[in-house]
Amino acid sequence: DTGVSQDPRHKITKRGQNVTFRCDPISEHNRLYWYRQTLGQGPEFLTYFQNEAQLEKSRLLSDRFSAERPKGSFSTLEIQRTEQGDSAMYLCASSRGQESGYTFGSGTRLTVV
Amino acid sequence: GQSLEQPSEVTAVEGAIVQINCTYQTSGFYGLSWYQQHDGGAPTFLSYNGLDGLEETGRFSSFLSRSDSYGYLLLQELQMKDSASYFCAARGAAGNKLTFGGGTRVLVKP
Repeated sequence: DTGVSQDPRHKITKRGQNVTFRCDPISEHNRLYWYRQTLGQGPEFLTYFQNEAQLEKSRLLSDRFSAERPKGSFSTLEIQRTEQGDSAMYLCASSRGQESGYTFGSGTRLTVV
Repeated sequence: GQSLEQPSEVTAVEGAIVQINCTYQTSGFYGLSWYQQHDGGAPTFLSYNGLDGLEETGRFSSFLSRSDSYGYLLLQELQMKDSASYFCAARGAAGNKLTFGGGTRVLVKP
């Protein structure tokens, strides 16, 4: 078990471009979460999946954000028409059940220039 | 929704004890978790309190009082490697979704 993997580690993009991030959770974990974290702040919830079903999406997310988890395995997070305010660390986490702690990946740091 | 309040920064010396308090306001609450995050690193799970009382894991202990909407993380025998940010996080009604506090930066001095 290699933990939660995220790719890429860093992404620099121009404003207006689309970006896609990938997360590979721990294989036996059925729950997968996406969070966003800016410097000096706590992680902010974006969305989560149980198996392949997306069960909740933050009201803070605009329609430019979309996430998928085909076949309940890896997940992708896409941001369309990026804005400078999207610059942040995007964290993926997985867990086994309702009272299990999250295992976080190392994150994807997005910089929009 | 949920909101959690914790102090922004705490400084202590090696060997000391530090208590990080967390108060929460929630529309649904199932338990309180604590995470540690070193600069540039990912948050790592420390503990979870689903019931009132004290949970002890080595040098770290966590406490929850539902009636007071309050919890704390106790760090004992502080070591330099404990310098990090610590986040409390509330588990809400929707599955295992966590809402995080703003974090407490702990600085351990020699």
